[in-house]
Amino acid sequence: NAGVTQTPKFQVLKTGQSMTLQCAQDMNHEYMSWYRQDPGMGLRLIHYSVGAGITDQGEVPNGYNVSRSTTEDFPLRLLSAAPSQTSVYFCASRPDGISGNTIYFGEGSWLTVV
Amino acid sequence: GDSVTQMEGPVTLSEEAFLTINCTYTATGYPSLFWYVQYPGEGLQLLLKATKADDKGSNKGFEATYRKETTSFHLEKGSVQVSDSAVYFCALRANTGNQFYFGTGTSLTVIP
Repeated sequence: NAGVTQTPKFQVLKTGQSMTLQCAQDMNHEYMSWYRQDPGMGLRLIHYSVGAGITDQGEVPNGYNVSRSTTEDFPLRLLSAAPSQTSVYFCASRPDGISGNTIYFGEGSWLTVV
Repeated sequence: GDSVTQMEGPVTLSEEAFLTINCTYTATGYPSLFWYVQYPGEGLQLLLKATKADDKGSNKGFEATYRKETTSFHLEKGSVQVSDSAVYFCALRANTGNQFYFGTGTSLTVIP
């Protein structure tokens, strides 16, 4: 019963480096999203996808790129890492449709940019 | 736009004390309301939810009632335990659209 799986769990990057946070879900959910969590700011939506081939920007998309080639996978790319991107990143998925459907989170990826 | 406001923490309580974490929301229509819990080093997990006015969500001794007249969804527990120490997030999902909106989280520490 894997649910939402994120890798890596911890990563240290140097300023200017690029990397990809991987996210996969095995629940056949159409909707997937990436959030970042910062102290005192709660969860902020970076990008989301309502199905394979469809992505859109959330509240804080700058510096990040996403793609959705399959229903299962939704990677998040940091194009040129900056210290301001030091954060905890959560991938999430949920079924579409009924508003009462809950959202399922991965365990998080702790990213430090030095 | 839609939003959620929850009381700021951190909150520190003694074991067996009564807990209230306030949450109010702004939304058009009739959103669904949720409480999520995040234990240290983990992702968010659903704690409870309510999908219409006057519904009460409950789980693990926690309760919250959807109050449309006060646009609130306060989280309560009659007797907290050390194992309840975590960060609690209030959230809403609008009746239309795809987005969840989260509060900033309230950190709870329960001391023996």
